[in-house]
Amino acid sequence: EVQLLESGGGLGQPGGSLRLSCAASGFTFGSYGMTWVRQAPGKGLEWVSTISGSSSFTYYADSVKGRFTISRDNSKNTLSLQMNSLTADDTAVYYCAKVERGGGGYFDYWGQGTLVTVSS
Amino acid sequence: DIQMTQSPSTLSASVGDRVTITCRASETITNWLAWYQQKPGKAPQLLIYKASSLESGVPSRFSGSGSGTEFTLTISGLQPDDFATYFCQNYNRFPYSFGQGTRLEIK
Repeated sequence: EVQLLESGGGLGQPGGSLRLSCAASGFTFGSYGMTWVRQAPGKGLEWVSTISGSSSFTYYADSVKGRFTISRDNSKNTLSLQMNSLTADDTAVYYCAKVERGGGGYFDYWGQGTLVTVSS
Repeated sequence: DIQMTQSPSTLSASVGDRVTITCRASETITNWLAWYQQKPGKAPQLLIYKASSLESGVPSRFSGSGSGTEFTLTISGLQPDDFATYFCQNYNRFPYSFGQGTRLEIK
């Protein structure tokens, strides 16, 4: 059974940093791309970033480019999102999701999400 | 960047109804489109991929169609569990994008 468990959310300061993690199990982690999607309170879904299975390729939404860094450790089945220079607009539930193949594609499994609140 | 526009934003229907949600892309995405269902406080769940392929375990009352720039999600014979919010997603190329969502509510 595929399981994705996010952690690391919480209260962040404007201009500050947070690091999210996603622990994966139930599939061959390194064979699949992974992604982060966020959802601001009461709003729709926003794609944030995707990383290929081998970490060869990373992609970012313009809204986070230069501030967020996606990475993965295939030896530990863990996906991460380093979030720097936080603003109030980054307040959202952050979901990690498995991509249906090694590079890009749709998202076939999702974690339960972790809430990030940016406020002073 | 490709923009995805869903309509309607809200849809009121009754149990047993047949409903259709539309998603339009600002440029052609061939058939690289997925549909997700989201219930309050829960993560989205995949329903349809490649515009018309039903994800394993999803009831057959859900169906998708379309190609190019116009796509539809149809639910035939609404069940109480289907009242939720639905999102389309373009995965033709990065940056990926979602529609703004359609909230399906009980009439």
